[in-house]
Formats: sequence, C-alpha cells, structure tokens
Amino acid sequence: TQLLEQSPQFLSIQEGENLTVYCNSSSVFSSLQWYRQEPGEGPVLLVTVVTGGEVKKLKRLTFQFGDARKDSSLHITAAQPGDTGLYLCAGAITSGTYKYIFGTGTRLKVLA
Amino acid sequence: EAGVAQSPRYKIIEKRQSVAFWCNPISGHATLYWYQQILGQGPKLLIQFQNNGVVDDSQLPKDRFSAERLKGVDSTLKIQPAKLEDSAVYLCASSSTRYQYFGAGTRLSVL
Repeated sequence: TQLLEQSPQFLSIQEGENLTVYCNSSSVFSSLQWYRQEPGEGPVLLVTVVTGGEVKKLKRLTFQFGDARKDSSLHITAAQPGDTGLYLCAGAITSGTYKYIFGTGTRLKVLA
Repeated sequence: EAGVAQSPRYKIIEKRQSVAFWCNPISGHATLYWYQQILGQGPKLLIQFQNNGVVDDSQLPKDRFSAERLKGVDSTLKIQPAKLEDSAVYLCASSSTRYQYFGAGTRLSVL
C-alpha cells in the first residue's frame, strides 16, 4: 500500500513567518500535486511537479520535487491569514489513467 | 466552463439507512473519481471510472457501497446500509489529463 506522510500535521504561526510542509513516501510517483482545501470546499490544485529535482514558484509558495520523485516540500514565505487551510499532497500513479494517492494533510492556521 | 457538480451538499441519516450521492463531472472528462474524506484527513480513493468502466475499486467496501456511471457521464455513489464510521465528506473529481478537478463534496453525518 502506497502511503504519503505529511508533516507537520498541524501548524499555527504568526503572519509574516515562513514555514515548510513535507510530503514523504517510500514509493516513486510519476508526478506530485499540491492542493489547498478550505472548509466546505473541495481541494483546489496549486501546482504539479513532474521532474525529479524540479522547483516551482507560485508567488510566495515554493514547491520542490525530490530527486528520486518520492518526496516533496512546500515552502511559504511571509505567511498571510489567507494562506490558512488544509494543504494536501497527492502522488500520481500512471497505468493508462492517472490514479492519485493523497497525503495525510497539514492544517495551517496563520494568525493576524 | 462549469465545474464538477455534486448533490446534495449535506445529508444526515440514521445508521442502517440508505443514502445516495450524485456527481456531474466537467463536460468531456472521461475519468471520474469518488473519494471519502474523513474530517482533517486526506481524501481516500473509493472508485475510479474511465468512461463507464471501473478502473479501480479496490478500496470500495463492496458489501455496503456501490457506484455506477451510466453512459459515461453522471455518476451515483450509494451506501446501503450506512454505519457510523461512514460519516465523512464524499468528494467527486473528474479529469481529462493529469489534472483533476473537485466538486464541493457531500458532507454525510450518520447518527
């Protein structure tokens, strides 16, 4: 069974602080996605990383895919209250179609 | 383009009752997923359809859960009979490539 472990599980920080969320697995994925989910809504895709070692930036968010395509990290610079939410990583397995294994989730709260 | 539509948004039932959820994917998306999300956790795949065929239902509790996707468009997920541990958000997603788009989900409470 493929598992994606995220750490930390919960994070409460002050506005302006930096943070990093980790997503780790023993399995290799063809790509990895990061989502943010707000209460009462479905997950919304933030980014997809495909190549080992790839780094993508989305404003204050930096995403990195591990060289071996087993792990990933999300770094937020100068967090804002609007960043509050549940962050999910999802590893993709391709065998004709895409199947996604979701991580355990990191709940972030940014205090003003 | 319209997103993934799900209904109802909320459902409260008593244990041993039956319940059904409906999903209308984004037009043209061949792949449809049903996920179960326990509060505060990541979504768990229940079943994946490619058009009207099942690709993966290995984590679907088949003694009580069933799903169908007639004509390869809309899909329904049914639970019969429901248990307390089925309380969760049921998410539907669709995709045509590697990007999946989620509906808002149905929050089920089993009392």
